Amino acid sequence: EDQVTQSPEALRLQEGESSSLNCSYTVSGLRGLFWYRQDPGKGPEFLFTLYSAGEEKEKERLKATLTKKESFLHITAPKPEDSATYLCAVQHRSQGSGTALIFGKGTTLSVSS
Amino acid sequence: NAGVTQTPKFRILKIGQSMTLQCTQDMNHNYMYWYRQDPGMGLKLIYYSVGAGITDKGEVPNGYNVSRSTTEDFPLRLELAAPSQTSVYFCASSYGPDRETYFGPGTRLTVT
Repeated sequence: EDQVTQSPEALRLQEGESSSLNCSYTVSGLRGLFWYRQDPGKGPEFLFTLYSAGEEKEKERLKATLTKKESFLHITAPKPEDSATYLCAVQHRSQGSGTALIFGKGTTLSVSS
Repeated sequence: NAGVTQTPKFRILKIGQSMTLQCTQDMNHNYMYWYRQDPGMGLKLIYYSVGAGITDKGEVPNGYNVSRSTTEDFPLRLELAAPSQTSVYFCASSYGPDRETYFGPGTRLTVT
């Protein structure tokens, strides 16, 4: 069964304290892995897409990496405004004409000053 | 460019009532989706569409219906609302199945 597991469920950091969020997946043929940020009461906001093992993407204090079994979202020197829930999702190969994303439950990050 | 818009933002329904959640996108995306998000759970796909006139079921379609008469609009219909349909509903769109998906702001629905 296709599955996406994110850990930890919640993470509390001090401002400037770097850390990583994990997303492990089991899918039959990965087409893409996506990271989203979701603020309370809002829809998910797209951050990164990774397509193949070894690929890396960066945006400000965030860096996403991908292996054959998992992805990491590294947060360097976080600020309070980085507090949000981070969602990981995968898209797998399908015999159908269109498929959608399989989401993990998310990691809720809180950064205090 | 408004992206994906949804109406209403909030709604309270009584058991057995019906309603339509509206969704519009202005990015000329062929693919559109409806997800629901329950506390502590990942987003679950309800229905999706790969173009006008084409729709298909997702993971949790029971109790819902959709239509896609234009590229821009993808309404979600709830018939005979049940408490199990209390959730936050997100509409989304993308250029293709392996491209980034853009989400609307959500509709928070309570069925009592």
